[in-house]
Amino acid sequence: ETGVTQTPRHLVMGMTNKKSLKCEQHLGHNAMYWYKQSAKKPLELMFVYNFKEQTENNSVPSRFSPECPNSSHLFLHLHTLQPEDSALYLCASRGSANVLTFGAGSRLTVL
Amino acid sequence: EDKVVQSPLSLVVHEGDTVTLNCSYEVTNFRSLLWYKQEKKAPTFLFMLTSSGIEKKSGRLSSILDKKELFSILNITATQTGDSAVYLCAVEPINFNKFYFGSGTKLNVKP
Repeated sequence: ETGVTQTPRHLVMGMTNKKSLKCEQHLGHNAMYWYKQSAKKPLELMFVYNFKEQTENNSVPSRFSPECPNSSHLFLHLHTLQPEDSALYLCASRGSANVLTFGAGSRLTVL
Repeated sequence: EDKVVQSPLSLVVHEGDTVTLNCSYEVTNFRSLLWYKQEKKAPTFLFMLTSSGIEKKSGRLSSILDKKELFSILNITATQTGDSAVYLCAVEPINFNKFYFGSGTKLNVKP
């Protein structure tokens, strides 16, 4: 257990569905991140939040919509996704040590 | 464009062997380089390197950074099957609040 919890661990959705991924950290960190991990590709940064404010949007399509209601929670809302969006979505938090602590990821399959 | 390149992409060794994993980078205003180990779950933090020539060590794992030549190596001695994983390298520029990851090296240690 890393202190960063992601739910659900696995998600299968159709292209017309709407679903959400949730991330919660119990480490007292002030920054939270969404990364996308596809096979044989580097982790792709999607969004960064510092003290609930979005500080980075790495040209992510609008079918991915992040939400950060407080420093401990981060959501990724998904709608009208494409099959190429199937991947492992990793949440991470960062504290004063400047090290990312990752959750176990949400494995998303888009049919 | 900032980038991180890891080599080899995959490696198969036998228990007891010593392996060296490589990470080279091109990042403007370098701040730190991090190594992670990823099994079938959350990437777990191994080392953070900020200064050239200073070796970080933890048990059979060690790492060193060369800021002049822009690379780092991760050494694992007396490998065990439990070392089988993907090893990720990430680099953080100063004041950018984000990390650039390499594609990872997949290590398979056979009994």
